[in-house]
Amino acid sequence: DTEVTQTPKHLVMGMTNKKSLKCEQHMGHRAMYWYKQKAKKPPELMFVYSYEKLSINESVPSRFSPECPNSSLLNLHLHALQPEDSALYLCASSQDGSATEAFFGQGTRLTVV
Amino acid sequence: GENVEQHPSTLSVQEGDSAVIKCTYSDSASNYFPWYKQELGKGPQLIIDIRSNVGEKKDQRIAVTLNKTAKHFSLHITETQPEDSAVYFCAAADNYGQNFVFGPGTRLSVLP
Repeated sequence: DTEVTQTPKHLVMGMTNKKSLKCEQHMGHRAMYWYKQKAKKPPELMFVYSYEKLSINESVPSRFSPECPNSSLLNLHLHALQPEDSALYLCASSQDGSATEAFFGQGTRLTVV
Repeated sequence: GENVEQHPSTLSVQEGDSAVIKCTYSDSASNYFPWYKQELGKGPQLIIDIRSNVGEKKDQRIAVTLNKTAKHFSLHITETQPEDSAVYFCAAADNYGQNFVFGPGTRLSVLP
């Protein structure tokens, strides 16, 4: 199983809502990543978890809150987002924190209204 | 930090022709160079990668070359097919994953 599964596939939320994005992998990978991708742009790294510990936070606003409950799961909690946060949010995993051979999920298309 | 440039931004080729996409990077500490293909509405898919101890790697119709001295690497797709149409991203990373940076992408269109 070389799959990274993200739910939901689409999400529309208001600026006062609280929602969560979920990501799951069963490849035994010990590093997991959140990326944000705007239209016609490359993915931008947001967070890296290595061995269930947050190792990189690319100066992401606190309205985005990551959580890694165990080595297979990664969540991104969203609160008080702005319309400009609308984007494709991608989860990825790799064997370790070196970002080698990273596998991406299909993404969650988020729209903030 | 690392900066990755990618050219061209768009590329159209006839089916059966070859396509070449070039990337340059700035950080000499980078030693891992993957290429990702992203189809519309999907996440990026790793198609081939190369490490700094190798100059060239091939997988069927896809090949990647690396010139570490000049800090550039290229993706070569031969005998292109319509299903090769997608956005291709190069990336560069060091051993610690601290500088995993994508290029801006190339939109490849293979015309039947």
